[in-house]
Amino acid sequence: EAGVTQFPSHSVIEKGQTVTLRCDPISGHDNLYWYRRVMGKEIKFLLHFVKESKQDESGMPNNRFLAERTGGTYSTLKVQPAELEDSGVYFCASRGVTGGNYNEQFFGPGTRLTVL
Amino acid sequence: GNSVTQMEGPVTLSEEAFLTINCTYTATGYPSLFWYVQYPGEGLQLLLKATKADDKGSNKGFEATYRKETTSFHLEKGSVQVSDSAVYFCALTPAGGYQKVTFGTGTKLQVIP
Repeated sequence: EAGVTQFPSHSVIEKGQTVTLRCDPISGHDNLYWYRRVMGKEIKFLLHFVKESKQDESGMPNNRFLAERTGGTYSTLKVQPAELEDSGVYFCASRGVTGGNYNEQFFGPGTRLTVL
Repeated sequence: GNSVTQMEGPVTLSEEAFLTINCTYTATGYPSLFWYVQYPGEGLQLLLKATKADDKGSNKGFEATYRKETTSFHLEKGSVQVSDSAVYFCALTPAGGYQKVTFGTGTKLQVIP
């Protein structure tokens, strides 16, 4: 079974440009999460999709960030316009629903974003 | 809100040394507790977990015990190997595990031969 994949693995852009990150969850996982780690600090939650609906977007830092999950499969996270403080590693995770009182979130390798 | 505090790194150990990475948390009720590991060039992997007080999670020689009285979940390994070099993250989710993961800052471990 393929794991969570993210594209690109690295992105270097200039301040003011637009970047779109993509996440492909594990097939059949309805729950998809975005997190990011900035400057070696803790990994922080950005938002949570259940299928195509945003369940919780309380971690989105501002309106320069737009996340979508059309069709409830892959998700994109667009940053427009990018600022220097957006540099970091963006992780995606997915979770299925298989019963029991806990279901693990499976993480992707992350996208390292550098804004110059 | 929920929070996780773990010891600052980097931690440098010789092969076969004993490892402890301290982790304490703040949360209401009985959260589920985790240690994730990120090996160089790879994504986050779940290393071990514990879902209730006094549970011990273990995997690959690593152990951590859920201590409700001290709100701690310290990671230990009796004899580290070079291949254990990675960044280790302590984390929690509220009881049930259906919500977002709250992470600590991560501790980089380097094991030298």
